[in-house]
Amino acid sequence: KAGVTQTPRYLIKTRGQQVTLSCSPISGHRSVSWYQQTPGQGLQFLFEYFSETQRNKGNFPGRFSGRQFSNSRSEMNVSTLELGDSALYLCASSFEGDYGYTFGSGTRLTVV
Amino acid sequence: AQSVTQPDIHITVSEGASLELRCNYSYGATPYLFWYVQSPGQGLQLLLKYFSGDTLVQGIKGFEAEFKRSQSSFNLRKPSVHWSDAAEYFCAVGAANFGNEKLTFGTGTRLTIIP
Repeated sequence: KAGVTQTPRYLIKTRGQQVTLSCSPISGHRSVSWYQQTPGQGLQFLFEYFSETQRNKGNFPGRFSGRQFSNSRSEMNVSTLELGDSALYLCASSFEGDYGYTFGSGTRLTVV
Repeated sequence: AQSVTQPDIHITVSEGASLELRCNYSYGATPYLFWYVQSPGQGLQLLLKYFSGDTLVQGIKGFEAEFKRSQSSFNLRKPSVHWSDAAEYFCAVGAANFGNEKLTFGTGTRLTIIP
């Protein structure tokens, strides 16, 4: 079966712009989580969506937001980009938020 | 708050040698524990997980890990490494309650294999 698909794979944006990243979970999976990976901070939890509702949120500023659609696809948005937002953004899906996560390959965001 | 410590930033082992990667966690109750592997430019792949029961957990690719509550440790082991095991390894802890399944990761251990 198809894995978790994240688009785009690479993205270059300018400071102050906004960006939207997309994640298509494995078919049948209802939970989607997002993580940010940077060399300095490592892997940090952003938020989790389950059945279109944000169920958990990490310690990130309000510039980071997300949503989940009825088909479980999820998007995350970062507004007013800063240089420090440069990172690999990973999406993970699971059937029922049961830690049976499958991770996507990520979107590499570079802010210049 | 939960936390994970991986004391070794980088480990180098010879192909065919045994491997042990260390992981210590801090959590107020019984944790759920995980080991993930990440190859360059890729996402994370689950190697194994511990929820409860037998403290020695078998995973994929010949890896195993042992949960030691008294030492708050969950070390990853492999008896004989292969060149393809070169990657970054992450230990993670999760809360053991439904609806709060977020992972807290360690900083990772980069594994280099020499011929």
